[in-house]
Amino acid sequence: EAQVTQNPRYLITVTGKKLTVTCSQNMNHEYMSWYRQDPGLGLRQIYYSMNVEVTDKGDVPEGYKVSRKEKRNFPLILESPSPNQTSLYFCASQRTGTASYEQYFGPGTRLTVT
Amino acid sequence: GEDVEQSLFLSVREGDSSVINCTYTDSSSTYLYWYKQEPGAGLQLLTYIFSNMDMKQDQRLTVLLNKKDKHLSLRIADTQTGDSAIYFCAEILGSGNTGKLIFGQGTTLQVKP
Repeated sequence: EAQVTQNPRYLITVTGKKLTVTCSQNMNHEYMSWYRQDPGLGLRQIYYSMNVEVTDKGDVPEGYKVSRKEKRNFPLILESPSPNQTSLYFCASQRTGTASYEQYFGPGTRLTVT
Repeated sequence: GEDVEQSLFLSVREGDSSVINCTYTDSSSTYLYWYKQEPGAGLQLLTYIFSNMDMKQDQRLTVLLNKKDKHLSLRIADTQTGDSAIYFCAEILGSGNTGKLIFGQGTTLQVKP
């Protein structure tokens, strides 16, 4: 089944404790992206990657890192989480090319930083 | 900058039609989308419309696009309780078909029996 998976689905952590949220897709998509969803703000892009070893900042990159060493994986790293990073996080992927129009989303990771 | 605006809440009775409205700013967007988010779930692409179309119909769903006014709407006919969810309008930034999606704030649709 074609899908985007994220782990963990739920995470409660403390300020300053490094964490990684994994994202993996099995569709051989070139493009991958991370969004965060906050009430009343919709989804905002954190980082994106056009292909392996190519990453760039989105609208809200502060406090986050990403890497794209393999095509299928795009982990989101919080080196020193803070309470304002409490949010619902979504990973997405999309095939590039003129016939592609849909971004596929993972199930989300709900992060709470105390 | 780019922006997508939606009303936050809509309540309808089961069997009625629902209309969710959205305005956007990037006139070069190739595709505009409606995503559905059910409680505790991820985002599911409900439907999309290519920018050179005015209307798209897909079973109970009708999407209307007014490019002059940069207005997008989603009509759900015969709304059911299973349609209760958050609906996000989104546009893809720029004239390509891959890249950043700009989302509205989401409209919570409440369907009363």
